[in-house]
Amino acid sequence: AQSVTQLDSQVPVFEEAPVELRCNYSSSVSVYLFWYVQYPNQGLQLLLKYLSGSTLVKGINGFEAEFNKSQTSFHLRKPSVHISDTAEYFCAVSGGYSSASKIIFGSGTRLSIRP
Amino acid sequence: DAGITQSPRYKITETGRQVTLMCHQTWSHSYMFWYRQDLGHGLRLIYYSAAADITDKGEVPDGYVVSRSKTENFPLTLESATRSQTSVYFCASSEGQEDQPQHFGDGTRLSIL
Repeated sequence: AQSVTQLDSQVPVFEEAPVELRCNYSSSVSVYLFWYVQYPNQGLQLLLKYLSGSTLVKGINGFEAEFNKSQTSFHLRKPSVHISDTAEYFCAVSGGYSSASKIIFGSGTRLSIRP
Repeated sequence: DAGITQSPRYKITETGRQVTLMCHQTWSHSYMFWYRQDLGHGLRLIYYSAAADITDKGEVPDGYVVSRSKTENFPLTLESATRSQTSVYFCASSEGQEDQPQHFGDGTRLSIL
């Protein structure tokens, strides 16, 4: 079965520092990859998605992610974080072995920004 | 405004009671989903629906019932609530294709005493 692993449950970072949130998935067939963000007391919002083409995907709020097929990874990066980026981030995968309608979510990474 | 709305936002009830969580979307998306979010487990799929009158079990369906008589509504019912069902519940919708993201409501925080 497909799975998504987010290697860090919590990532503390100082404001204006760069950050990388790690995500690995377990499929060797073509998949679609997503990053979602969840702010406190809200639902998940789409940050960016990889469908095909360029392996570097740019999303909202200055985030980007790089798809690496050989390493089955889809790490999320931001060169300089802001206090407002404090949230939980979820990596997700669809396609491959999962049903056409389903998305498999990772367990989430809580990003905390220190002033 | 177009979107997906969940109600209530907060609910406290007692074990053994029946409780229904509502979900309404205005996009006419064919697919709708119910998840529960618990610390350490991320999001787990309870039930989903591909269209009106078509529903299917997800990863953790036991103790829950869903219906979808209209495309825009997808209520989730706990027929006899248990403490283990204390959680935050999220409804989502999508057009259903693999490359389409899901759109989430703001959640219902349910506490069962």
